[in-house]
Amino acid sequence: GQNIDQPTEMTATEGAIVQINCTYQTSGFNGLFWYQQHAGEAPTFLSYNVLDGLEEKGRFSSFLSRSKGYSYLLLKELQMKDSASYLCALGLGGFQKLVFGTGTRLLVSP
Amino acid sequence: EAGVTQFPSHSVIEKGQTVTLRCDPISGHDNLYWYRRVMGKEIKFLLHFVKESKQDESGMPNNRFLAERTGGTYSTLKVQPAELEDSGVYFCASSQEVASNTEAFFGQGTRLTVV
Repeated sequence: GQNIDQPTEMTATEGAIVQINCTYQTSGFNGLFWYQQHAGEAPTFLSYNVLDGLEEKGRFSSFLSRSKGYSYLLLKELQMKDSASYLCALGLGGFQKLVFGTGTRLLVSP
Repeated sequence: EAGVTQFPSHSVIEKGQTVTLRCDPISGHDNLYWYRRVMGKEIKFLLHFVKESKQDESGMPNNRFLAERTGGTYSTLKVQPAELEDSGVYFCASSQEVASNTEAFFGQGTRLTVV
């Protein structure tokens, strides 16, 4: 099976940088996804890592180290609208069977 | 372009009753997935359709749950009879390709409460 751990909650200030960590234990996966979910809304795709290293997408970056079983999502220039839950998920099999962590709720304050 | 839509957004039913959830994927997406989030837990995979065929239903909790996708367009998930532990948010997602790095688009979910 898979075991995915994320911090339950984090707080940060508008304009700051925050790093949300995700550690996992699994026998194999295709890639690691990060999703954002605002309360009561659909999870929306943020990023995907298949190889080790950093993927940058505007204010968001995601990093993966397969050997260390570790990923992080980096959010820069935080805005109030970034307050949301951030879900780490492993993509399994030959398709998108996603195995999610419990998510990290990020609260951005002025 | 319309996203993944789910109906109803909320449903409150009594234990023992039947409920049917509906998902309309993005037009042209062959892959449709059902997920569920029980309160306090992570989102969990239920099953995957490719067009009208069930590709993987390993996450279905038990035989009280029946998913269909007749014609390969919209899908329904029926719970019969519903139990208290079935309460949660049921998400549907769809994707165009089966490649592993293809983004899955999620619907807003149906919040099911069994009382």
